[in-house]
Amino acid sequence: SQTIHQWPATLVQPVGSPLSLECTVEGTSNPNLYWYRQAAGRGLQLLFYSVGIGQISSEVPQNLSASRPQDRQFILSSKKLLLSDSGFYLCAWSATTSGTYEQYFGPGTRLTVT
Amino acid sequence: EDKVVQSPLSLVVHEGDTVTLNCSYEVTNFRSLLWYKQEKKAPTFLFMLTSSGIEKKSGRLSSILDKKELFSILNITATQTGDSAVYLCAVLIQGAQKLVFGQGTRLTINP
Repeated sequence: SQTIHQWPATLVQPVGSPLSLECTVEGTSNPNLYWYRQAAGRGLQLLFYSVGIGQISSEVPQNLSASRPQDRQFILSSKKLLLSDSGFYLCAWSATTSGTYEQYFGPGTRLTVT
Repeated sequence: EDKVVQSPLSLVVHEGDTVTLNCSYEVTNFRSLLWYKQEKKAPTFLFMLTSSGIEKKSGRLSSILDKKELFSILNITATQTGDSAVYLCAVLIQGAQKLVFGQGTRLTINP
């Protein structure tokens, strides 16, 4: 069965510091991968998605970036965090072979920028 | 711009009540609509609806899609305190392989 991991689970970082969040998927090959952010009391905002190694689509211009160095690894980064980057970051995957594209979410990282 | 709107944003009911959550959408190229339940952390998948008028059911939860009027409802009967969660509706855009989420409905079930 497929599992998705994210780490760290929680993170407190000062403004201006760098960020690296990691997501890995097990039990599937060539998944679509997604990064979402959820602000307190809000829905999910799609940040990036990837349909393959090195292929990244950005949905919202901001100071974040994403990379996919391996088939089942997705990384969210920032060189300098802003206060507005605080939120709950969720990674998700979907199968490319089923044709249905429902997405399954990781446990999330709660980021507080101080 | 693709948009998904859920209502109500918040709902408080007593255990045993039946609730109906609403989701309406305006998107350029609809493929399917998904419902998720989010308790403390990751959303968990409930239903995917692609065709109008066909009810999907899982235990006390059911959902139906109306592609003519561009909305879906999620029903929960005989609610229990464990149903307390944020319920998220999302639309899958044809060809884009991405979901557009609504803002969610926070459901609280009081004993």
